[in-house]
Amino acid sequence: NAGVTQTPKFRILKIGQSMTLQCTQDMNHNYMYWYRQDPGMGLKLIYYSVGAGITDKGEVPNGYNVSRSTTEDFPLRLELAAPSQTSVYFCASRRHNMNTEAFFGQGTRLTVV
Amino acid sequence: AQSVTQLGSHVSVSEGALVLLRCNYSSSVPPYLFWYVQYPNQGLQLLLKYTSAATLVKGINGFEAEFKKSETSFHLTKPSAHMSDAAEYFCAVSVHRDDKIIFGKGTRLHILP
Repeated sequence: NAGVTQTPKFRILKIGQSMTLQCTQDMNHNYMYWYRQDPGMGLKLIYYSVGAGITDKGEVPNGYNVSRSTTEDFPLRLELAAPSQTSVYFCASRRHNMNTEAFFGQGTRLTVV
Repeated sequence: AQSVTQLGSHVSVSEGALVLLRCNYSSSVPPYLFWYVQYPNQGLQLLLKYTSAATLVKGINGFEAEFKKSETSFHLTKPSAHMSDAAEYFCAVSVHRDDKIIFGKGTRLHILP
């Protein structure tokens, strides 16, 4: 059972480039989340989804887009990379929105130069 | 909206000493509360969760936390610290009918030999 899988693990982008961070889960969870982690700032919610075809903005959505065409996959798109998007990105999933915990991927470390 | 505050971005304790990591929450409805641990270059993993059953919750690796509604707190404790406990710890909150999980800024625990 793989859980939540994120690819790539590391990436260096130039300013203005675009990329997609991949996230897939094999637990049949309805809820999926994207967070970014910056030193001393904890985890900030970027986007989340409560099921296929449904997405919503979190605390820091600017500069990002998401889609949820299947239950398993929740890719995060950066259209025009900026240095402020240098961060570690985590994808997470959980079964429902009550008392269940989230399961996290191993993260993607992104540097924009 | 719900939130959590973790007091102390860095905490140092001697090996064998009591570990106490503080978390206070804000929520207008009964919360679900979580403690996660993050080891270097890894994702987050669940230590324990409070889901409105017992107020004293036991987790993995000898950690426990007590939900105190009157103090709006959910502090994490461990009687005797081990070197392997050195990591970053995150408190998080979720509530019924809200799809988000909100994290605190984290506390880095240092264990002194």
